[in-house]
Amino acid sequence: QKEVEQNSGPLSVPEGAIASLNCTYSDRGSQSFFWYRQYSGKSPELIMSIYSNGDKEDGRFTAQLNKASQYVSLLIRDSQPSDSATYLCAQEGQNFVFGPGTRLSVLP
Amino acid sequence: SQTIHQWPATLVQPVGSPLSLECTVEGTSNPNLYWYRQAAGRGLQLLFYSVGIGQISSEVPQNLSASRPQDRQFILSSKKLLLSDSGFYLCAWSAEGRNTIYFGEGSWLTVV
Repeated sequence: QKEVEQNSGPLSVPEGAIASLNCTYSDRGSQSFFWYRQYSGKSPELIMSIYSNGDKEDGRFTAQLNKASQYVSLLIRDSQPSDSATYLCAQEGQNFVFGPGTRLSVLP
Repeated sequence: SQTIHQWPATLVQPVGSPLSLECTVEGTSNPNLYWYRQAAGRGLQLLFYSVGIGQISSEVPQNLSASRPQDRQFILSSKKLLLSDSGFYLCAWSAEGRNTIYFGEGSWLTVV
């Protein structure tokens, strides 16, 4: 059974701090990993994808992938209240498998 | 650019009534199509996926069914809704190479 695990949170950080979201996965065969943001009552939207070991930066977001340890993380720098949402980690296998999501709350 | 549309956005249905949710994708050909359900406070559960017209794979046995009558059209149906069918239903698509998945706006279903 392919699984993606995340801490459900809530993770609370003050405005301007770095938020660190983590995800572990069981399918070593996966090559592609994704982070989605889901605001309450809305559909998930893609934030970042990562395919290779190491870091990938896009604006305030940095995704990190470590295939040997089977984890993916998302760092959000200079967190803003508008970043408050649930963040879903996903891996591509035969089908996309999503984690349960981590709820992030950025406090003004 | 590619877009995905899903409707209706919200519906309230009595137990035992039928259901039809529709999804269309524009701007791409032969997409992979998916139906997910997200119960309140829960993660995304894959219900059905399709790699082509008439090709449907079911991930979870239940009283729901899916059909793909046209290349870019995906329909989720039920003949008789149960209370447990309530949730947020999401249609999604990915390109034929399955690189990235994109979601529609979602449909809120409340079964009463």
